[in-house]
Amino acid sequence: LAKTTQPISMDSYEGQEVNITCSHNNIATNDYITWYQQFPSQGPRFIIQGYKTKVTNEVASLFIPADRKSSTLSLPRVSLSDTAVYYCLVGVTSGTYKYIFGTGTRLKVLA
Amino acid sequence: NAGVTQTPKFQVLKTGQSMTLQCAQDMNHNSMYWYRQDPGMGLRLIYYSASEGTTDKGEVPNGYNVSRLNKREFSLRLESAAPSQTSVYFCASRQSTNEKLFFGSGTQLSVL
Repeated sequence: LAKTTQPISMDSYEGQEVNITCSHNNIATNDYITWYQQFPSQGPRFIIQGYKTKVTNEVASLFIPADRKSSTLSLPRVSLSDTAVYYCLVGVTSGTYKYIFGTGTRLKVLA
Repeated sequence: NAGVTQTPKFQVLKTGQSMTLQCAQDMNHNSMYWYRQDPGMGLRLIYYSASEGTTDKGEVPNGYNVSRLNKREFSLRLESAAPSQTSVYFCASRQSTNEKLFFGSGTQLSVL
């Protein structure tokens, strides 16, 4: 299983760009990297997913270097409503479906 | 499209009581999952079902049993509840074409 390591918490101010990095040294060839966002009292929700290089959607960007041993979630111009816990999840290769979440990064956006 | 539906939303049990948490998804997903989340902590995998008819243990299976009733439904049973099982329980299902998980809104369980 590909374990992930993220910073426990981060603070930012409204309007700033926030980058959260996840380390996954044991990522397997077929694994995708997926990020989830969780607000208090809610289930996590999908933000973005990628395999290599860069992926961008209406919410965030995901940067993955060539060796794929880490990834960076980038949130442009955060607002107070982006205060949440962000989880990086690296899938296992086919044959097992055991998705283990790491500790996540608690992002607090300040006014 | 309801997605993943969990019932009940809240439950209070006394130590030793039993109960079943229900989960149903209407997205035709093959894989389903049960996680627990203690206050201020991350998600821990209890059990999962890769496909209809199969179930496997996750990180913290002790004290729980599961049933994959059909493709839509995946239930979690506490046979003899303990205070250590006080937590929020989330059910999720997985889209087969990628590794995207869809979560329900959770069941907040308190065991006194």
